[in-house]
Amino acid sequence: EVLLVESGGGLIQPGGSLRLSCAASGFTVSSNYMSWVRQAPGKGLECVSVIYTGDSTHYADSVKGRFTISRDNSKNTLSLEMNSLRAEDTAVYYCARVRWSGSFYFDYWGQGTLVTVSS
Amino acid sequence: SYVLTQPPSVSVAPGKTARVTCGGNNIGGKSVHWYQQKPGQAPVLVIYYDSDRPSGIPERFSGSNSGNTAALTISRVEAGDEADYYCQVWDGVSDHYVFGTGTKVTVL
Repeated sequence: EVLLVESGGGLIQPGGSLRLSCAASGFTVSSNYMSWVRQAPGKGLECVSVIYTGDSTHYADSVKGRFTISRDNSKNTLSLEMNSLRAEDTAVYYCARVRWSGSFYFDYWGQGTLVTVSS
Repeated sequence: SYVLTQPPSVSVAPGKTARVTCGGNNIGGKSVHWYQQKPGQAPVLVIYYDSDRPSGIPERFSGSNSGNTAALTISRVEAGDEADYYCQVWDGVSDHYVFGTGTKVTVL
């Protein structure tokens, strides 16, 4: 059974840093594309970052230069390092597996972790 | 950037059919994926590649895509289908993952 469990969310002041983690089970993170998708309160979904096999990465323009996605193959985990946080980064952050066959889509999602950026 | 437009809300009586649309420029030339999100829960994939269903998703959920409009159809609607539904495409030109604005399906 595929399972994704996020952790690391919390309340952080503007300008601060936070690291989110996602523990995967039922499959191997290293051989799959993985992503972080966020949802601001009462708003829609936004793909923040994707890491592909070979470790190439994709970032939304809104977080480029501030967020870094990575994975630890030995622990089968995905991470998101978030720096220079802004109020508009407040959201539930979901870890999701990405599938590809001519198009990308998200087939399994974690339960999410809430990040609140506020003074 | 590529934009996907959905109606904010759709209401349907139990047992009837709900149709959620997703509009985009020549969206028929892209693959469309659909997600269901119930309150307080993570999204769940219900349709991928326009009309394929993941295992465990009822046959009542179907999808279509042509021209400038994709659609998710829910037949024989049940109270448990009440949720927000999002369409999604990958725009290869801009390398952007694009979600629609979301549609709240209400079962009367």
